[in-house]
Amino acid sequence: EPEVTQTPSHQVTQMGQEVILRCVPISNHLYFYWYRQILGQKVEFLVSFYNNEISEKSEIFDDQFSVERPDGSNFTLKIRSTKLEDSAMYFCASSERRPFGQVLYPYQPQHFGDGTRLSIL
Amino acid sequence: AQRVTQPEKLLSVFKGAPVELKCNYSYSGSPELFWYVQYSRQRLQLLLRHISRESIKGFTADLNKGETSFHLKKPFAQEEDSAMYYCALGWPGTYKYIFGTGTRLKVLA
Repeated sequence: EPEVTQTPSHQVTQMGQEVILRCVPISNHLYFYWYRQILGQKVEFLVSFYNNEISEKSEIFDDQFSVERPDGSNFTLKIRSTKLEDSAMYFCASSERRPFGQVLYPYQPQHFGDGTRLSIL
Repeated sequence: AQRVTQPEKLLSVFKGAPVELKCNYSYSGSPELFWYVQYSRQRLQLLLRHISRESIKGFTADLNKGETSFHLKKPFAQEEDSAMYYCALGWPGTYKYIFGTGTRLKVLA
């Protein structure tokens, strides 16, 4: 079964440094997402991306964050100047079609990767 | 505002006992509800979605709009069911899911 893959599995970075988290979504999927989970807390939505632009973002996704699909397979999350509070597990997800399409389109759920554990020192 | 509540942080049951993991949501329209399972710090895996009304690994969940609930049930728990279970809510007009805080299920031998 195809899977979303994320690299690296663990990233350790000094505060203030830039970090790029990488994801390869499932190949025929069109919608891409990033979520994060701070240790002991719930999974939180960051951003969704479709047709090379952000379709929705949360208040967490401020100017320090950006996403990009640099080629036909990768989807990246960049944090420009990391803070201690950015330490979390970051999950990438993808879905085949719009989560809530019209009547003619079947619903397709989001499939998640293994996550990247980001530790800010 | 939309919200998902999973009231139990930890649920311990003996092998062979019935299991019910509770999920309540806040949304006035037609929600999309899911259960995701996370085994031992692995990926979030889709377990069930309400729209398909299927049974996976013996688990079922029924959407009760009157009680705004989507509880996950299994009649006989197995040790391999031990994992973290997350209830998630989506709705028309948004791309995001809102997750509950999760319930850790421990099935004891």
